[in-house]
Amino acid sequence: GNSVTQMEGPVTLSEEAFLTINCTYTATGYPSLFWYVQYPGEGLQLLLKATKADDKGSNKGFEATYRKETTSFHLEKGSVQVSDSAVYFCALILTGGGNKLTFGTGTQLKVEL
Amino acid sequence: NAGVTQTPKFQVLKTGQSMTLQCAQDMNHNSMYWYRQDPGMGLRLIYYSASEGTTDKGEVPNGYNVSRLNKREFSLRLESAAPSQTSVYFCASSGGLAGAYNEQFFGPGTRLTVL
Repeated sequence: GNSVTQMEGPVTLSEEAFLTINCTYTATGYPSLFWYVQYPGEGLQLLLKATKADDKGSNKGFEATYRKETTSFHLEKGSVQVSDSAVYFCALILTGGGNKLTFGTGTQLKVEL
Repeated sequence: NAGVTQTPKFQVLKTGQSMTLQCAQDMNHNSMYWYRQDPGMGLRLIYYSASEGTTDKGEVPNGYNVSRLNKREFSLRLESAAPSQTSVYFCASSGGLAGAYNEQFFGPGTRLTVL
């Protein structure tokens, strides 16, 4: 089946630190990959996406590159802010598999001053 | 433009009670979804509706029923609530071409506790 594995949290960083949240996947077909973010008390929002190998998704200073050879889609940001504190979910959809997302378990990020 | 709205925001039930979670979207989207979010489990799809008049089971449908009332509204019903259904429930919707990936927009969630 399809699955997404994320690093365990919480991840606690100081402001302006470099962020990496690891995400790997298994899929029976050719997936599109996504990062969603959930701020406290809110629903999920799409942060970025990549639909084919070697694509780089980017938004709000966050980046992730679709690596087919390592089945990975790690999220990075060069300098985090307190406002980035949230839960981050990696997810996939199979091409031609309808619009059903498979989510990872989420990684909580806490950024401190 | 409110996006996806859900009611109620919080609910406490006793085991065996029933309730309906309401969801509405004002983006003219064809597809709607119900997820539950549990600690350490991420989001899991309960039911979805690819278009008005159709519904299909997701990953964890047992204990739930859904109704796609019209294009805007998609409700989730718990007929006899159990403590295992304590969770945060999210509704989502997406538009665009059938069969293609279309971004899902999420509501703010309903936090349900079953005692």
